[in-house]
Parts: sequence; structure tokens; C-alpha cells
Amino acid sequence: DVKVTQSSRYLVKRTGEKVFLECVQDMDHENMFWYRQDPGLGLRLIYFSYDVKMKEKGDIPEGYSVSREKKERFSLILESASTNQTSMYLCASSLRGPWYEQYFGPGTRLTVT
Amino acid sequence: GQQVMQIPQYQHVQEGEDFTTYCNSSTTLSNIQWYKQRPGGHPVFLIQLVKSGEVKKQKRLTFQFGEAKKNSSLHITATQTTDVGTYFCAAAGGTSYGKLTFGQGTILTVHP
Repeated sequence: DVKVTQSSRYLVKRTGEKVFLECVQDMDHENMFWYRQDPGLGLRLIYFSYDVKMKEKGDIPEGYSVSREKKERFSLILESASTNQTSMYLCASSLRGPWYEQYFGPGTRLTVT
Repeated sequence: GQQVMQIPQYQHVQEGEDFTTYCNSSTTLSNIQWYKQRPGGHPVFLIQLVKSGEVKKQKRLTFQFGEAKKNSSLHITATQTTDVGTYFCAAAGGTSYGKLTFGQGTILTVHP
């Protein structure tokens, strides 16, 4: 069974703080993704990575950066958290590419106050 | 970027009634996927449709891909309380090369 884990289930941060969200997958998947989920908007892609040290912008990359130093780990960084980044953040991975089945982690609910 | 419209946003049904959610794109798609997210959970892959006019069934769930590969539907026959959750379509292709574009989701509530 593929397992995708995320470092925190709930997180509360202050405006202006630097925030790190970590994601680890244990199935040697090439592709990893970060989404944010907001009511009525579905899942929106922030960044994705198809290989170590490679990254591509998604639909809403502004205010975020990512890091993929190892194949199994993909980090999302909020350089200076703002209240409009309060959201559910979901990490996902896929074996064969972004157009194939994606496995999601449990999500991190981030609140920025 | 690519837009995928999913309707309805909400659906309340009595247990035993049928349910359908629709997904529409303005561009031709390579494939479409469907995911289910239980309340408090994360999205879980249900199925992928690739061929024009394709129909796939999983027990009480029927998935269809339109002939023009621009729309898709998920139909649940005789809903059960275990069907509650949010159903998302996710489109691949069109102008969204290299990534999936998710619909807004349909939240299904089943009243016993």
C-alpha cells in the first residue's frame, strides 16, 4: 500500500512567519504534488515535482516555494505566511506521471492568525 | 489555465435514491479521473477513463466519458449512507499539460 505522510495534521502560525510543510512517500514515486483545498474551489495545484531537485509551478504558486532534495520528500515553504494562506494543504504522489492515479496524504490544516 | 466545471455543488438525497454528478470541460481531454473524499479524510482515487464514450462500473457506481472527451459523469444507484462525501473529477489534457485540473467537487449528503 502506498503511504503518503504529512508532518502535521494541524498547524497554527502567525502572519509573517516562515512555514514548512513536509511530505514523505514510501513507494519510490517520481512525481509529487502540493495542493490547497478551499470550500467551493476544489483542489488547486501549487507546485509539483517530477524528479529530485526538479520543480514546476502549478496554478497558484505565488507566496510559496518548494524543495525536493530526496526522492521521497517534498517540502512546501510559505516564505512569509499571510492570513489568505489559511487552508487545507494536501500532498500527493504518483508513479507514472501527473496524469495518472494520485495518492494523497492526510492533509495539514494551516491557520494563519 | 484550464477550467473544469463540476455540478451540482451540493446534493442531498434520501437513502436509496440515485445520484449523479457531472463534469464539463471546454477543451478535449486526454483522460479524466474521479476521486472520493470522505468527511475529514483525503481524496481517494476511484477510477480513470481514457477512451471516447467509455463506460466503467464499480458495483453501484457508473462512470462515463463523453464521446467528444469533454465531459464525464458519475452515477450512484441506490445511495447508501456510506456514499457520503465529496466527489471530485480531475481532468488531464487540454491546456493543462503535465498536471491534473480538479473540479470544484460535489458534496453528497445521504439521509437515512
